[in-house]
This record gives sequence, structure tokens and C-alpha cells, in this order.
Amino acid sequence: GQSLEQPSEVTAVEGAIVQINCTYQTSGFYGLSWYQQHDGGAPTFLSYNALDGLEETGRFSSFLSRSDSYGYLLLQELQMKDSASYFCAVTVNTGFQKLVFGTGTRLLVSP
Amino acid sequence: GAGVSQSPSNKVTEKGKDVELRCDPISGHTALYWYRQRLGQGLEFLIYFQGNSAPDKSGLPSDRFSAERTGESVSTLTIQRTQQEDSAVYLCASSLPSNSYEQYFGPGTRLTVT
Repeated sequence: GQSLEQPSEVTAVEGAIVQINCTYQTSGFYGLSWYQQHDGGAPTFLSYNALDGLEETGRFSSFLSRSDSYGYLLLQELQMKDSASYFCAVTVNTGFQKLVFGTGTRLLVSP
Repeated sequence: GAGVSQSPSNKVTEKGKDVELRCDPISGHTALYWYRQRLGQGLEFLIYFQGNSAPDKSGLPSDRFSAERTGESVSTLTIQRTQQEDSAVYLCASSLPSNSYEQYFGPGTRLTVT
């Protein structure tokens, strides 16, 4: 089976930097994705790492270490609108590729 | 269409009734997924369609749950004899088959079973 662990909640202030960690145990691992979900909204895709290293997309960066079964999402210059839940998700191959989501990290950004 | 659409947005039903939830994926997205999200929880995979076949139904919680898809278009998730534990948001997502890591989600259907 697959399991993912991420902190349940993280708090930070505007302008700060926050890192949300994700560790996983899975077979047939292809890559690690991150999704953002505002309260009452739909999850939206943020980033994907198939290879080790850092991927940067504006204020957001995502990192993967396949040997450590670990990744993180880094959010810089935090804004109030970044308050949301963030889910890591592994792409696994069980005959076809599918996403398995973590339980999510709720980020609260305060002024 | 421009994005994934789902209907209804909200559904309140009595325990024991059947419900049908609809998903209209992005045009050209042959892969379609259904998830369930309970309040404050993560996304629980239910079923995956590639075209109109469902190679993975492993997440359907019981035989009260079924889904079908017409061609590479609309999908319907049916829950028979609803129970209170079925109350949740049901999310549909679509993607290109080679890009399952990047799924586009609909706004969801909030199901409340009374």
C-alpha cells in the first residue's frame, strides 16, 4: 500500500517563508505533486517533481529526494491569500498511473 | 468546456434514497477520476476511467457505489441506498492520460444524507 505523512497545520506571518514536508512510503513511485485547496474550493495543481532536486515556480518551490522518500513545498513571501490546505500526492503505477493524496496541511497566514 | 463541471453543487437526500452525481470533464481529457473528501480530510480515490472503461474501481467503498462514463465525456457516480456516512464532497477530476500527476478538479458536489 501507500502512505504519506505531512503536518496537519502550519502557521506563519505575511512575508515569511514556510516549508511543508511530506514523507511517503509507496511502491511503483513515479513522482510527487502538490495541490492547493482553499476552503470550499477545488484542489488546484501547483507542482510536480519526478526527479531529485528543486523545481521553482514563482513564489513556490518544490523539492524531491527519491532516496529519502521525502519532499517539501516551499512558499516564499507569504501572502494572506496563501492560507489554504496543501496536499502532497504521489503518482504510483498500479498497471496505470494514479495519484494517492496525503491528508493535507492547513496553512494559516496571519498579518 | 473551459473547466471540469459538476452537478448538482449541493444535494440533500434522505437516508435510503439513491443519488446521481454528474461530472463533465475538460474536452480532450480521456482520463477521469472520482474522489471523496470528508470534512477536514484528504482526498479518497474512488474510481478511474480511461475513456469509457474503468481499469481501477478499487476505491469504491461498497457495492452501493457505481459509476459509468459515456465515451470520453460525461461520467455519473451513483450511490444507492444512501447512508449518513456517505455525506461528503464528491470531487471529479480529469487529465490527459500521460499527465495523471496534473489533474483538473471540478467544484465538487456536497452530499448531505439526513
